[in-house]
Amino acid sequence: DIVMTQSPDSLAVSLGERATINCNSSQSVLYSSTNKNYLSWYQQKPGQPLKLLIYWASTRESGVPDRFSGSGSGTDFTLTISSLQAEDAAVYFCHQYYSNLWTFGQGTRVEIK
Amino acid sequence: QVQLVESGGGLVKPGGSLRLSCAASGFTFSDYYMSWIRQAPGKGLEWVSYISKSANTIQYADSVKGRFIISRDDAKNSLYLQMNSLRAEDTAVYYCARETYRYGSRNYCDHWGQGTLVTVSS
Repeated sequence: DIVMTQSPDSLAVSLGERATINCNSSQSVLYSSTNKNYLSWYQQKPGQPLKLLIYWASTRESGVPDRFSGSGSGTDFTLTISSLQAEDAAVYFCHQYYSNLWTFGQGTRVEIK
Repeated sequence: QVQLVESGGGLVKPGGSLRLSCAASGFTFSDYYMSWIRQAPGKGLEWVSYISKSANTIQYADSVKGRFIISRDDAKNSLYLQMNSLRAEDTAVYYCARETYRYGSRNYCDHWGQGTLVTVSS
């Protein structure tokens, strides 16, 4: 199985500051025939369904604020919240769909400092 | 709008069975692959099983293979997970999720339900 490792496990960021979450995969999730990274990011808030933020590592889902961005390729990826808002306090997960046996990162909790 | 509503969770003894349901609305259910994904209390996400359109292809995580059965009823816009021989480590919130499919393979989930809690305890 592809192991997804996120860092840090949690971080506290002041309102308006940048939050950066890293995700490393144990093998490349870049599929050569499509030249796409099979990686997505989700946001989880208590009592709400998980929300898709980013897919193909850097494509923002429709309706997601542009302060959210994804980057990286191969095995190393980053989710950046450029200017943290109060409503961004949540747990964030990366997810690889390169393998049919999907795996997720352990999650990163983002808190407001 | 797309809605996925899970039901059927509850408290069950080790070795027992439970059947989860996921009612889908707001889209053509038969056009989509669907997955079950679970989250143990305070833990991360674990993919459990997926079923293709028309149920032609089904796959399970090793942790549930031989014990869980995924199925769908397109006429009822519903997804199911029959869970047998339940263990304490199956305790989790179970989510159904709609998959996307492009470039000849399964991709990310674009919609999730709110989940249903399954507790396996004596």
